[in-house]
Amino acid sequence: AQTVTQSQPEMSVQEAETVTLSCTYDTSESDYYLFWYKQPPSRQMILVIRQEAYKQQNATENRFSVNFQKAAKSFSLKISDSQLGDAAMYFCAYRSSNSNYQLIWGAGTKLIIKP
Amino acid sequence: EAGVVQSPRYKIIEKKQPVAFWCNPISGHNTLYWYLQNLGQGPELLIRYENEEAVDDSQLPKDRFSAERLKGVDSTLKIQPAELGDSAVYLCASSLNPGSGGELFFGEGSRLTVL
Repeated sequence: AQTVTQSQPEMSVQEAETVTLSCTYDTSESDYYLFWYKQPPSRQMILVIRQEAYKQQNATENRFSVNFQKAAKSFSLKISDSQLGDAAMYFCAYRSSNSNYQLIWGAGTKLIIKP
Repeated sequence: EAGVVQSPRYKIIEKKQPVAFWCNPISGHNTLYWYLQNLGQGPELLIRYENEEAVDDSQLPKDRFSAERLKGVDSTLKIQPAELGDSAVYLCASSLNPGSGGELFFGEGSRLTVL
């Protein structure tokens, strides 16, 4: 069975600095999707970035980018120029491409932004 | 475009009482999810619908939880009777096509407190 591990329960970063959140996963599949979701204190979860496993190029969305290492089964999120509004819980998630389509979630990392 | 709408936002009940949560997904989204989220943890899938069919309800405690999605649009999640351990946030999400790694759109959640 697939698993997703976020080893950092909490991270803090100074405003305007860069921070990297770690995520590792375990799977025997070759085709899948990986996601980073953000959940601010208001609780509404929103998608930050998505990566297709068959794509070698790392996904980027403005200040958010990933370092996808398929062989190492690692999927870290880098946030550049951190802003106060980035403070939230960040969840890494894995989705299989088979008929199950089940989304496997990590336990989350709480990101604190220091002004 | 309206997002995923959930109600109520907050509910406080005594144990053994029934409670129901309602979710209206984004128009056109055929896949609907109910998740349970405990504080500081990732979401746990309770049930997933494809249109009106429950395609994954293996994690739904069927002795006290029930769900329905009549006409394949909005959905109701019911707990009867509620127990102290049911206190959590119940998240609803919807998506277009999970097979393509489609993004999940979440509602703001319903926070349940069982006294």
